[in-house]
Amino acid sequence: AQSVTQLGSHVSVSEGALVLLRCNYSSSVPPYLFWYVQYPNQGLQLLLKYTSAATLVKGINGFEAEFKKSETSFHLTKPSAHMSDAAEYFCAVSSIQGAQKLVFGQGTRLTINP
Amino acid sequence: GAVVSQHPSWVICKSGTSVKIECRSLDFQATTMFWYRQFPKQSLMLMATSNEGSKATYEQGVEKDKFLINHASLTLSTLTVTSAHPEDSSFYICSARDLNRGIDTQYFGPGTRLTVL
Repeated sequence: AQSVTQLGSHVSVSEGALVLLRCNYSSSVPPYLFWYVQYPNQGLQLLLKYTSAATLVKGINGFEAEFKKSETSFHLTKPSAHMSDAAEYFCAVSSIQGAQKLVFGQGTRLTINP
Repeated sequence: GAVVSQHPSWVICKSGTSVKIECRSLDFQATTMFWYRQFPKQSLMLMATSNEGSKATYEQGVEKDKFLINHASLTLSTLTVTSAHPEDSSFYICSARDLNRGIDTQYFGPGTRLTVL
């Protein structure tokens, strides 16, 4: 079975500050890892994904994440927060063995303070 | 590319009626689509996996007779909530896989908010 834990249901940072959203996963098989963003009353948009290639993954809107197998982590970062980054962020895991089903974390609401 | 649409985006219905939600892949063929539900301020929970031309596979605890899924073509899957009750009120989101972009990524629709009175 696979699972995802997102540490912190709510993160608040100042505009221009570093954004760090934490994600730890559990998987008995090689995982695929994803970060999605959800704006109010909308579906999910893919930010980035890790599928066993480079461990440092760059995504859209200046976000990146690093896969650390030893720490079972896939934290999402952005060097400088922008007001438009305010949204709900979901980390998810899947695998070939798991028939590509996505298992989502609880989500982290990111608030940007002016 | 990889656009998924849902219709309607918002629906209100009376208790006991049935509601159909459509999920379409607009610019790609999707042999597999997924249906999720999301309660307010919560994460997405997978309800079922829909494969074109075959029966859907439901997750444990999801009533297949209540949530009817049909995947009749490579670009359309439908979810029908039968005899809806207030506890079925939720945000329903579909996703689709584009095999040409790799089987590992799902593209999500904008969601359908269902309110049952």
